[in-house]
Amino acid sequence: NAGVMQNPRHLVRRRGQEARLRCSPMKGHSHVYWYRQLPEEGLKFMVYLQKENIIDESGMPKERFSAEFPKEGPSILRIQQVVRGDSAAYFCASSPLRGSYNEQFFGPGTRLTVL
Amino acid sequence: TQLLEQSPQFLSIQEGENLTVYCNSSSVFSSLQWYRQEPGEGPVLLVTVVTGGEVKKLKRLTFQFGDARKDSSLHITAAQPGDTGLYLCAGADNFNKFYFGSGTKLNVKP
Repeated sequence: NAGVMQNPRHLVRRRGQEARLRCSPMKGHSHVYWYRQLPEEGLKFMVYLQKENIIDESGMPKERFSAEFPKEGPSILRIQQVVRGDSAAYFCASSPLRGSYNEQFFGPGTRLTVL
Repeated sequence: TQLLEQSPQFLSIQEGENLTVYCNSSSVFSSLQWYRQEPGEGPVLLVTVVTGGEVKKLKRLTFQFGDARKDSSLHITAAQPGDTGLYLCAGADNFNKFYFGSGTKLNVKP
């Protein structure tokens, strides 16, 4: 059973370009979460999605950032017109739908560098 | 906002020593997870605790969930250099949202 997959693992963009980060959840998982992590810091929640639905985007900047989880295919985190401050590791986690409790499983992350 | 506070933030110990990491909140969680993250990698799930007062053991690691489901601890016995990493706790609410602590960076010196 493959784990959560993210690609690319490393992404270099120049200021003003677009960054598209992909996440394929574990098989059978219907929830996807995106987090951002700066060096030597913890995880900062960005957005929580189910298939074709954004549940909570309270941690995502209102401008330039968007996320989707279509009926078919991976979840995408899109950053338009990147700036140097967007440089960070972006992690995706997936979670199954359980009645009693829930837990997350993380992908290896995408390290975005903005030049 | 459900804040999870982890302590200590940093811990540097010698191989063979014992240590405890704490995760505290004023909020009740439906479950709580502990993760370990190594540099350049994603967090790896170590354990999920669900029931108040629950204790789970994973080799030299012992995890406890507080009776009120607001806090948790991770105890490592006879730490080894391979235990080095960032330890993160995360609480889940009833709406499937997760709240992370800021992490404890552990360094075990040989």
